[in-house]
Amino acid sequence: DTEVTQTPKHLVMGMTNKKSLKCEQHMGHRAMYWYKQKAKKPPELMFVYSYEKLSINESVPSRFSPECPNSSLLNLHLHALQPEDSALYLCASSQEYRDPYEQYFGPGTRLTVT
Amino acid sequence: DQQVKQNSPSLSVQEGRISILNCDYTNSMFDYFLWYKKYPAEGPTFLISISSIKDKNEDGRFTVFLNKSAKHLSLHIVPSQPGDSAVYFCAASLLGGGATNKLIFGTGTLLAVQP
Repeated sequence: DTEVTQTPKHLVMGMTNKKSLKCEQHMGHRAMYWYKQKAKKPPELMFVYSYEKLSINESVPSRFSPECPNSSLLNLHLHALQPEDSALYLCASSQEYRDPYEQYFGPGTRLTVT
Repeated sequence: DQQVKQNSPSLSVQEGRISILNCDYTNSMFDYFLWYKKYPAEGPTFLISISSIKDKNEDGRFTVFLNKSAKHLSLHIVPSQPGDSAVYFCAASLLGGGATNKLIFGTGTLLAVQP
């Protein structure tokens, strides 16, 4: 099983809403990632979790709050977002110890902030 | 500062011919390079990778070449097929603290394979 699943596929939220994005993998990977991708741009790293601990925060605004409840699940909690936060949010996972260090991506959640 | 660059935003190739996608990088500390393929409304899909200790890796129709002295890598697809039409991202890996893999992506090249 090389699948990373993400829910929901699409999300529309107002600037005062609170919502969460979910990501799940069952490949036994110990690193999980959140990326943000705007149209015609490369994915930009937001957060990295390694062994369920936050390892990297790429200076992301606090209105984005990640959570890793266990080694298979990754959440991204959203609160008081701005319209410019509208983007495709991608989750990925990777096996840390072995070569190669490929990251496997989910299909993404298309977020629209109104 | 863009550490990984794909200078061709688009490429059009005839079916059956070779597609060559190029990527340049600036950071000599990168130790692993990957190519991802992305269809619209989907996440990137891993295609092929190469370690910095090698200069070539082949997988079926896909071959990646690495020229470390020039800080350049390329992806060759032969023969090209219409289903290969997608955006191709080059990515470089930089080992971060705690052995966490951090990928730096290029800006992507849109490949169109004409039947």
